[in-house]
Amino acid sequence: SQTIHQWPATLVQPVGSPLSLECTVEGTSNPNLYWYRQAAGRGLQLLFYSVGIGQISSEVPQNLSASRPQDRQFILSSKKLLLSDSGFYLCAWSRTDSNQPQHFGDGTRLSIL
Amino acid sequence: DAKTTQPPSMDCAEGRAANLPCNHSTISGNEYVYWYRQIHSQGPQYIIHGLKNNETNEMASLIITEDRKSSTLILPHATLRDTAVYYCIVRVVMWSGGGADGLTFGKGTHLIIQP
Repeated sequence: SQTIHQWPATLVQPVGSPLSLECTVEGTSNPNLYWYRQAAGRGLQLLFYSVGIGQISSEVPQNLSASRPQDRQFILSSKKLLLSDSGFYLCAWSRTDSNQPQHFGDGTRLSIL
Repeated sequence: DAKTTQPPSMDCAEGRAANLPCNHSTISGNEYVYWYRQIHSQGPQYIIHGLKNNETNEMASLIITEDRKSSTLILPHATLRDTAVYYCIVRVVMWSGGGADGLTFGKGTHLIIQP
């Protein structure tokens, strides 16, 4: 069966510090990968998606970037965090077949001080 | 913006069937209906999806009306662990190549299972 792992589960960072969140998927190959953010009391916002190694599409302009150095690894980064980057960050994967559901990790709760 | 409308909250007695409605009157012919749920502080959990036929799996049943303008998620025997926010989503195609598509989550229905 397939599993998705995100870490860390919680993170407290000062404004201006860098960020690296990691997501890995096991039990499948060539998945589509996604980064979402959920701000407090709001819905999920798609940040990035990737259909293959080195292929990243950004959905919203922001202070964040994403990379996919390996087939089942997806990394969310920032060089300098802003207060507005606080939120619940979720990684998800799906098969490449059309209309296959996305499966989410347990998320990282990021607080910026 | 979400393309679905759901009641903000519902109660259901433990052991009874929970029926969660969703309106999606502007759904296109090739758009699927997906249901997810999210327990506080966890990632969304996929439940079920369908196009036009009714679907059933180990978690739930999905009933889609013939005109596809609404659907109902049925949890046949609700337990306390089913308390969560349930999201009905119409899949938005964001990449014409048929690859990765984002899911647009609305506010969902907060289902509370009463003991």
